[in-house]
Amino acid sequence: NAGVTQTPKFQVLKTGQSMTLQCAQDMNHEYMSWYRQDPGMGLRLIHYSVGAGITDQGEVPNGYNVSRSTTEDFPLRLLSAAPSQTSVYFCASSYSFVRPYEQYFGPGTRLTVT
Amino acid sequence: DQQVKQNSPSLSVQEGRISILNCDYTNSMFDYFLWYKKYPAEGPTFLISISSIKDKNEDGRFTVFLNKSAKHLSLHIVPSQPGDSAVYFCAASADRGSTLGRLYFGRGTQLTVWP
Repeated sequence: NAGVTQTPKFQVLKTGQSMTLQCAQDMNHEYMSWYRQDPGMGLRLIHYSVGAGITDQGEVPNGYNVSRSTTEDFPLRLLSAAPSQTSVYFCASSYSFVRPYEQYFGPGTRLTVT
Repeated sequence: DQQVKQNSPSLSVQEGRISILNCDYTNSMFDYFLWYKKYPAEGPTFLISISSIKDKNEDGRFTVFLNKSAKHLSLHIVPSQPGDSAVYFCAASADRGSTLGRLYFGRGTQLTVWP
């Protein structure tokens, strides 16, 4: 099992550019989520999905889109990058969507927006 | 407003001694609590959890204590080892209402264990 994989590991964008952060898991987990980690802010939930075709917003969804067409993949799209989106992004998955504890996290994508 | 709070950004402990990391929460609907550990340049990894029907859960050197009346939990590491040096995140969830499906994280505590 590869677990949760994220690509790319690093990315630099200019303000206004768009891009997609990729996330995939091979554990047949129903629940997947995206977090961002900023210095001194902990992890904040951006969007999550409780199964293919079902997504919902987390605490900080503005400026991001998600879709879940398969169980394995949960890409995060930045529509028009802003410097405030400079952060480390983590994708996570869990077997249970009712109790999304014991989430497995990917290694993260470090994004810089200039 | 943060619903899960870790008020100590850092903790330094000598190897072999006890490390105690603290966490407070404000939402009384939270009924499941977790601790995650994070090394630099890696994703967080699950460490230990506790349900609100318990007040203690133990796993090897790690014990989590829950005080529901005080809305407080703590993670004890005994004995502490240099490999325990990492950022520890407290997280909470609820199985009902608008918070269903979400984990709320604290800001983390950097633990440093020195020889």
